[in-house]
Amino acid sequence: QVQLVESGGGLVEPGGSLRLSCAASGFTFSDYYMSWIRQAPGKGLQYISYISASGSTKYYADSVKGRFTISRDKAKKSLYLQMNSLRADDTAVYYCARGFCSGAICYESPTDWGQGTLVTVSS
Amino acid sequence: SYELTQPPSVSVSPGQTARVTCSGDAMPKQYAYWYQQKPGQAPVLVIYKDSERPSGIPERFSGSSSGTAATLTISGVQAEDEADYYCHSGDTSGTAVFGGGTKLTVL
Repeated sequence: QVQLVESGGGLVEPGGSLRLSCAASGFTFSDYYMSWIRQAPGKGLQYISYISASGSTKYYADSVKGRFTISRDKAKKSLYLQMNSLRADDTAVYYCARGFCSGAICYESPTDWGQGTLVTVSS
Repeated sequence: SYELTQPPSVSVSPGQTARVTCSGDAMPKQYAYWYQQKPGQAPVLVIYKDSERPSGIPERFSGSSSGTAATLTISGVQAEDEADYYCHSGDTSGTAVFGGGTKLTVL
């Protein structure tokens, strides 16, 4: 079955950096869009970034553009999120998610989700 | 930036029908997806491509879309359906967003 396991979260000071990882299994990783979605404490879901199956297309929400970088490693079946210049309002649970494929057409829309990793930005 | 609008809350009694709407200007051209999230858990996909139901999701969950709005309908609501519900879609430029979420309360 599909399994997505996030890691790399923790406590970081404002202005610091963190790299999140998501280990994927149970499906052909290289076929699917992958994404990062976050949820601040007590708040709703925020879509922050996605990457196409080939890695050629990347999307970033305005709130993280220029600070966060999404990437993927086909051989390691892993998704990454490099987060720089972190701010207090980046504090959230970060979820990794697999996109959706209907036949040969694939979309970024999340289907399966990991359990999330908590990032806390505080001094 | 593109936005999806949901009502903050919906309340229904057990056995009644709950409807959650999601409005967005690009809805006529883009599919809507719906997620259920219970406290302390990751979201679960309950409807994809406007009206398709993933395997394992009860038949009481259905979806529709017309014009600039998509609707999640839960028929015969049960206590276990109490949760937050989020819609997801995007615009034609590749933007991906979630609605603000709707808290479903089963009275």
